[in-house]
This record gives sequence, C-alpha cells and structure tokens, in this order.
Amino acid sequence: DTGVSQDPRHKITKRGQNVTFRCDPISEHNRLYWYRQTLGQGPEFLTYFQNEAQLEKSRLLSDRFSAERPKGSFSTLEIQRTEQGDSAMYLCASSLAGGRDRDRQYFGPGTRLTVL
Amino acid sequence: QQPVQSPQAVILREGEDAVINCSSSKALYSVHWYRQKHGEAPVFLMILLKGGEQKGHEKISASFNEKKQQSSLYLTASQLSYSGTYFCGTEIAGYSTLTFGKGTMLLVSP
Repeated sequence: DTGVSQDPRHKITKRGQNVTFRCDPISEHNRLYWYRQTLGQGPEFLTYFQNEAQLEKSRLLSDRFSAERPKGSFSTLEIQRTEQGDSAMYLCASSLAGGRDRDRQYFGPGTRLTVL
Repeated sequence: QQPVQSPQAVILREGEDAVINCSSSKALYSVHWYRQKHGEAPVFLMILLKGGEQKGHEKISASFNEKKQQSSLYLTASQLSYSGTYFCGTEIAGYSTLTFGKGTMLLVSP
C-alpha cells in the first residue's frame, strides 16, 4: 500500500497529557498537510509543509500545537497539555506541488483523539 | 472564508439525480471535491480550475462558474455507493491551502 498512513489510528488520553501523532505521506509527495475534523464539519486546515519547511500555520492554531517534518518525509503533530476541546479526528494529506494532478490532496485514514 | 455548501442534506432513491452547490465570497483559483463515508478519510473526486471548465468522472461531473465564484457537483443516476458526505475545498489565488465547507450529506436508498 503506497497511500498516506497515520499512526496511531486511535488515541485516548487524559486532559493535560501530551500526545504525538505521526504521518507518512506518499513517498514522492513534497507537500504535507494537517487538518482537524470534528463531527458534522469539514476538515479544518492546521498547517502545511513543502519539503521540510513549514510554510503556513492556521491563525486559529493554539501554541500548544506544533508540527515538524524534519527530513521532508514523515511528519509529527504534537499537542501539549491536551484539553477536551482537542478531541477530534486529525487528518494528514499529501500532494505533489506542480504535478499533473495539480495539488490533488490524498488523505490518510486519520487519528481519532479522545481527551477525557 | 469558509465556502457555503447547499443543500445541507439530500435523500435520493437509487437512479435519481442531485446537484450540490459550493459558493465562496472570495475569488477562487480552484475548487476540489471530496466524498467522505462515515469513519473513513475523504476521497478525491475532482479538481476544477478557474476558467469555467466542466469535468466528469463516471456519472459525477462538476462545473465552476468563475463570475459567481460557485461550483456545482452533479450526480446523475445515483447509486447506493454514492451515499456519504460531500465536501468542497476552495483555493484562493496566491494560497496553497484549501478551506472546506461544512459538507452535504447524501443518502441514496434502494
């Protein structure tokens, strides 16, 4: 399977704990996106990388959220001091900038976070 | 600015047609359409670039009206497998990110 993968698929944590999610994009894709999705809503943009550079970050994103893509391949999203409002599905997507697919984004299966 | 999708929900019988609209208050560069089934990741359907082109994918097609900043998704002769939530994601010129609407839930019954 050469699609986007995310780990873990489910995470249950207590309020105040830190959590980290991993995303492995499609190997030749140079762009990687993180989204958050809650019930009844569309994916909400969090941040994106082109190669290892973080090019944009949502203004709505709390300082408790940080993301990295150290070698331009996989990415991690960390949430510090989790709050119940952080409970959501965290989706990762990747794309090939300037490719024939014109930035078509391929989504991973997501990580469902539940904060108790 | 989040695009506005209408209707919020549609119930069809197998074989019927549906149209889902996506409107933006901003000048758009492209519109991306996705379908998401419950508990699964969004699946890409098609991209519409500014220029008013219409694209097709089996019995699903879409158009992009640049003057109105509106895209419409057309589902003809619906099948049970079309059930799910449809999202449009809009790209504003100069940005490389998508802003998604709240989705349109489509249910196709036998």
